[in-house]
Amino acid sequence: QVQLQESGPGLVKPSQTLSLTCTVSGGTVDTGGHFWTWVRQRPGAGLEWIGYIYYTRSTHYNPSLESRVTISLDTSLNQVSLKLTSVSAADTALYFCTWGLDQWGPGTLVTVSS
Amino acid sequence: EVVLTQSPGSLSLSPGERATLSCRASQSVITTYLAWYQQKPGQAPRLLMKGTSIRAPGFPDRFSGSGSGTDFTLTISGLEPDDFAVYYCFYYGSAPWTFGQGTKVEIK
Repeated sequence: QVQLQESGPGLVKPSQTLSLTCTVSGGTVDTGGHFWTWVRQRPGAGLEWIGYIYYTRSTHYNPSLESRVTISLDTSLNQVSLKLTSVSAADTALYFCTWGLDQWGPGTLVTVSS
Repeated sequence: EVVLTQSPGSLSLSPGERATLSCRASQSVITTYLAWYQQKPGQAPRLLMKGTSIRAPGFPDRFSGSGSGTDFTLTISGLEPDDFAVYYCFYYGSAPWTFGQGTKVEIK
């Protein structure tokens, strides 16, 4: 059973870059068959799909975030990374990584504030 | 880009009642790639249904999914206290993947 754990700074200043990692255990990030995905949830709001990466390094992003987001794999650390540039308060959210449809991490809260 | 619209936004029902949740897509979608999630406060979403009508392990048969084309339904027959949560439909048949805005099922 793949387990996921998101981590990163809980506080990021406006205009800076948000960097999160998702550490994978019980499997490897270069396993085919499913997509590694990031999803976020603003406080009191619904789920927003950020993007995915496949083990082939193929990516696809939400058009609303595409100009600012990068998802990558680090096979040496067995991690999936998310970078979001030029953040604002609107990026304050709980960020989840997922593998396939049914494996989710617990999420990590990121607050954008000076 | 597929846009999913869920209705109603919230549903206030008593235990034992039937809940009918709707998810409408902005264009015809492939049923294979329509899923539903259940989310409770403070928890990550949990996959409830995939392929429109295939229940995920751990969910009882009072949960059922149906639909085709642009109209999909999640039905909960005989609400149990544990079923009160927010439900999201999700389409992953073509990028960008997308969630509906959610339906909150509340205890009346």
